[in-house]
Amino acid sequence: KQEVTQIPAALSVPEGENLVLNCSFTDSAIYNLQWFRQDPGKGLTSLLLIQSSQREQTSGRLNASLDKSSGRSTLYIAASQPGDSATYLCAVADRGSTLGRLYFGRGTQLTVWP
Amino acid sequence: DAGITQSPRHKVTETGTPVTLRCHQTENHRYMYWYRQDPGHGLRLIHYSYGVKDTDKGEVSDGYSVSRSKTEDFLLTLESATSSQTSVYFCAISEGAGMSYEQYFGPGTRLTVT
Repeated sequence: KQEVTQIPAALSVPEGENLVLNCSFTDSAIYNLQWFRQDPGKGLTSLLLIQSSQREQTSGRLNASLDKSSGRSTLYIAASQPGDSATYLCAVADRGSTLGRLYFGRGTQLTVWP
Repeated sequence: DAGITQSPRHKVTETGTPVTLRCHQTENHRYMYWYRQDPGHGLRLIHYSYGVKDTDKGEVSDGYSVSRSKTEDFLLTLESATSSQTSVYFCAISEGAGMSYEQYFGPGTRLTVT
């Protein structure tokens, strides 16, 4: 069974810092990996999707990389802002499971203080 | 934002009563999913649907049933609610399943079983 781990569980940084969130998964047979953002009491907002054949994706100040062979992904946030404070979740779409189902990590809770 | 609504948004019910949660989409996407989110477990798949009247079980399906009679609606029923089903329930949709397809999530339903 696919297992997804996110490190660190929580992170607190001052505004302006560049930061890296880590995600690892146990089975490299995946369709894709998605990064989500979740604000308290809200749903999940999709940030980036990296297909298994891709190495990275960028959206604004966000850059996500994927190393499928080692089972790792990183989400890089440049010039962090207080509005970036949220929980960040990564999820993989596993080839060996129900088509399209996602396996989620437990998230990294990010706080960016002014 | 993807057109996904969930109703009700909050519900308190008593042990042993039946409960139905509704997910409605305006995107005409084929795939729909129900997840639950619990502290310490992250998001876990309950049931999913790959078309009208086509549904299957996820990893935590015991005590739940689903129905999909129209493309736009996916219903989750707790036959006889228990305290262990207190959770936040999220519906997700996807146009397809595979490498390039993202999942989009609704705002969630917070269910409390007393």
